[in-house]
Amino acid sequence: DAGITQSPRHKVTETGTPVTLRCHQTENHRYMYWYRQDPGHGLRLIHYSYGVKDTDKGEVSDGYSVSRSKTEDFLLTLESATSSQTSVYFCASVATGGTGAGEQFFGPGTRLTVL
Amino acid sequence: GENVEQHPSTLSVQEGDSAVIKCTYSDSASNYFPWYKQELGKRPQLIIDIRSNVGEKKDQRIAVTLNKTAKHFSLHITETQPEDSAVYFCAASTGGNKLVFGAGTILRVKS
Repeated sequence: DAGITQSPRHKVTETGTPVTLRCHQTENHRYMYWYRQDPGHGLRLIHYSYGVKDTDKGEVSDGYSVSRSKTEDFLLTLESATSSQTSVYFCASVATGGTGAGEQFFGPGTRLTVL
Repeated sequence: GENVEQHPSTLSVQEGDSAVIKCTYSDSASNYFPWYKQELGKRPQLIIDIRSNVGEKKDQRIAVTLNKTAKHFSLHITETQPEDSAVYFCAASTGGNKLVFGAGTILRVKS
């Protein structure tokens, strides 16, 4: 599974609390992504990173922030969790060269419930 | 931006029959089209992909076809087996090495 892990795997929290999810990869991949998965919507990109300290927004970035201080770690923060952020969160990474997009390897997912 | 539509949303087939899932995309600049399989409670995993300079690609019982003119691509699974039951996602590349995913197809193979 390309050495990509997520923590925690499950979390229940209350509305208004901050939450940080961690993605860790051991493949020295340059690109990393955070997605959320909801029924009927597939996988939607929240934020992505194209290198250390280089991040950008995806299609559903409102209410989320990210940080990448090391190649191997990509953190997703919900500053003030809301019930609409209840979802399964997947991170992914890819080592892409100069030929464009390549296979994204996914982590095992984090199931987040906001009460 | 890129938009990917996937059909059908659910598909039931008899074991041994073929299954076809279709996707359309909107951005003519997209050049990479992967298919992912996700079993219940598991992570999505790549099963096959195709780039825009190729019209068809096969890997044992699965194949993908791409029609750049019509901007659609399809996944074909032959001789379906119960272990093929899963959710399948298509995706298309967009700028910045990103992917846009379809909404998914639940495939049920009845034995």
